[in-house]
Amino acid sequence: IVLTQSPGTLSLSPGERATLSCRASQSVSSGYLAWYQQKPGQAPRLLVYGASSRATGVPDRFSCSGSGTDFTLTISRVEPEDFAVYYCQQYGSAYTFGQGTKLEIK
Amino acid sequence: QVQLQESGPGLVKPSQTLSLTCTVSGDSINSDAYYWGWIRELPGKGLEWIGYISYSGSTYYTPSLKSRVSILLDTSKTQFSLKLSSVTAADTAVYYCVRVVRALRVFDPWGQGTQVTVSS
Repeated sequence: IVLTQSPGTLSLSPGERATLSCRASQSVSSGYLAWYQQKPGQAPRLLVYGASSRATGVPDRFSCSGSGTDFTLTISRVEPEDFAVYYCQQYGSAYTFGQGTKLEIK
Repeated sequence: QVQLQESGPGLVKPSQTLSLTCTVSGDSINSDAYYWGWIRELPGKGLEWIGYISYSGSTYYTPSLKSRVSILLDTSKTQFSLKLSSVTAADTAVYYCVRVVRALRVFDPWGQGTQVTVSS
């Protein structure tokens, strides 16, 4: 299953709403769709799993939705520490990642 | 709190075998709730799943690398390792060790990552 993320880069100001998309080439079980955040020089960090459950310590400004082939990560009000690269990941018969969306400061 | 740390050579010659070790601290490696795996970040190409091993020794490898990769577990040392044979420049990447949460099929946590360059 190929995951395509859009946009490639999202330029926003702190306080704005961010909407990141992840589209799958085939239907993905919602139970096996996750999102990760990667800051420069750091390893990716699990943000959301099961398409909508936040990992421990993740602020509630992060939310996810979607099913089938279309999933969305939303940051209600972007904070300065949220500027990073975001990856979606799925498990079907194998694990695959999207190519990432870079959230940058406008 | 579980932590993972990669170690190994940062430079490998073409055609040789890349060998990395991941040391796990803060948790037992003997649990059927988790797998222990490797992911790499290829320059300009994003993240690629390599494979994992269970505490019982069962392994799964991504098909494109299956003929060249092996993952081993050393429970006495709470370590697991990656071996990738016949490397080329295309294997240059940052390599991460990860804990795979079986029930959720997610990677949490990740090691800090280690840069491996294949060059003569």
